Amino acid sequence: GDSVTQMEGPVTLSEEAFLTINCTYTATGYPSLFWYVQYPGEGLQLLLKATKADDKGSNKGFEATYRKETTSFHLEKGSVQVSDSAVYFCALSDRTGTASKLTFGTGTRLQVTL
Amino acid sequence: DAMVIQNPRYQVTQFGKPVTLSCSQTLNHNVMYWYQQKSSQAPKLLFHYYDKDFNNEADTPDNFQSRRPNTSFCFLDIRSPGLGDAAMYLCATSRDRGLGSYEQYFGPGTRLTVT
Repeated sequence: GDSVTQMEGPVTLSEEAFLTINCTYTATGYPSLFWYVQYPGEGLQLLLKATKADDKGSNKGFEATYRKETTSFHLEKGSVQVSDSAVYFCALSDRTGTASKLTFGTGTRLQVTL
Repeated sequence: DAMVIQNPRYQVTQFGKPVTLSCSQTLNHNVMYWYQQKSSQAPKLLFHYYDKDFNNEADTPDNFQSRRPNTSFCFLDIRSPGLGDAAMYLCATSRDRGLGSYEQYFGPGTRLTVT
């Protein structure tokens, strides 16, 4: 079945540092890929998405490129801020049965300090 | 703003006492999902409604049920909550056009405590 593997956290960075959170996936079909962010005590917010190979999703300075050859969708940001501290989930969406379903990675906690 | 709303945000119930969590949406999406998320874990899909059709995940306990009286509302019923059911419950929606795969939009969640 489908699966998503993310790098373990927590990731601790100083403000303005470069961020990479690795994500790889296994899927039988042609999934769409997503990054969701979850702030403490909140639901998940869609951060960015890519629907086909070589697509780049971007939002709020975050970027990720859908790499079919390496089955990866790594999240990057050039300069993190304290407000970026949250848990980041990589996910894929594929259609099984009646509706598309999300398969999540285990999440990576990011802590940004001054 | 179009959104997914969950009430209440925090719910405390007693062991074995039935509880209902609610979700409403103004997005007019045809699919609604319920997830359970335990501390430091990824969300786990319990079931979803595709329009009026209910679809249960194979490993969802019978203790969990759902109702969708109309497009906008969906309820999660826990018939006899156990201590292990304490978690954050997330509602999500998507506009599914029948082919391909689509993003989901999440509500803020309801944190359930079982005493």
